Amino acid sequence: SQQGEEDPQALSIQEGENATMNCSYKTSINNLQWYRQNSGRGLVHLILIRSNEREKHSGRLRVTLDTSKKSSSLLITASRAADTASYFCATDGERGGADGLTFGKGTHLIIQP
Amino acid sequence: DAGVIQSPRHEVTEMGQEVTLRCKPISGHDYLFWYRQTMMRGLELLIYFNNNVPIDDSGMPEDRFSAKMPNASFSTLKIQPSEPRDSAVYFCASSPRGGTGNTIYFGEGSWLTVV
Repeated sequence: SQQGEEDPQALSIQEGENATMNCSYKTSINNLQWYRQNSGRGLVHLILIRSNEREKHSGRLRVTLDTSKKSSSLLITASRAADTASYFCATDGERGGADGLTFGKGTHLIIQP
Repeated sequence: DAGVIQSPRHEVTEMGQEVTLRCKPISGHDYLFWYRQTMMRGLELLIYFNNNVPIDDSGMPEDRFSAKMPNASFSTLKIQPSEPRDSAVYFCASSPRGGTGNTIYFGEGSWLTVV
């Protein structure tokens, strides 16, 4: 079973618009991370948010965490064509022992030029 | 740094053949992970090592799968015999420290097709 589930599964927006992706998880977590995967490539770490944090920023990325709702969101502002990729949330819990992350199935984001 | 290096990048093999995937983690990283990615199941953690010692192999799907890490700079994932349902992208990843609060660095993946 998946610990993190991203929503929507696919998202298509115009360049310059903001993109919001959501992640819901089932069990309590210590940390939540977001990764990006370009087509045919490996995953790349974007941002980490800890359970005692509510919001973090990194460049055009904004991540929020609501532990009461067991959910997180990733906002990409002023999207660019190069942001086209799949985005995954990853958490501890369920599988992976103390060190392995459990990934959702991802949101496929397409930025239309 | 060269990053996590995986080989082969692509492999097509016949059912029943042995497949060996190779990984060189980032130097100095104590943790190595093997993940499998498919459309149906997403990314699944198969096994991970700490200082060359397997810590959790509960994700290895069957006895046909085995993984070794003979030294800090090399790991293999072996499938014997391979089956069509093993077709997937296999990722090796490494991390400097344990715990889920640390970044995991992924290789580019090995794309396996079993026909």
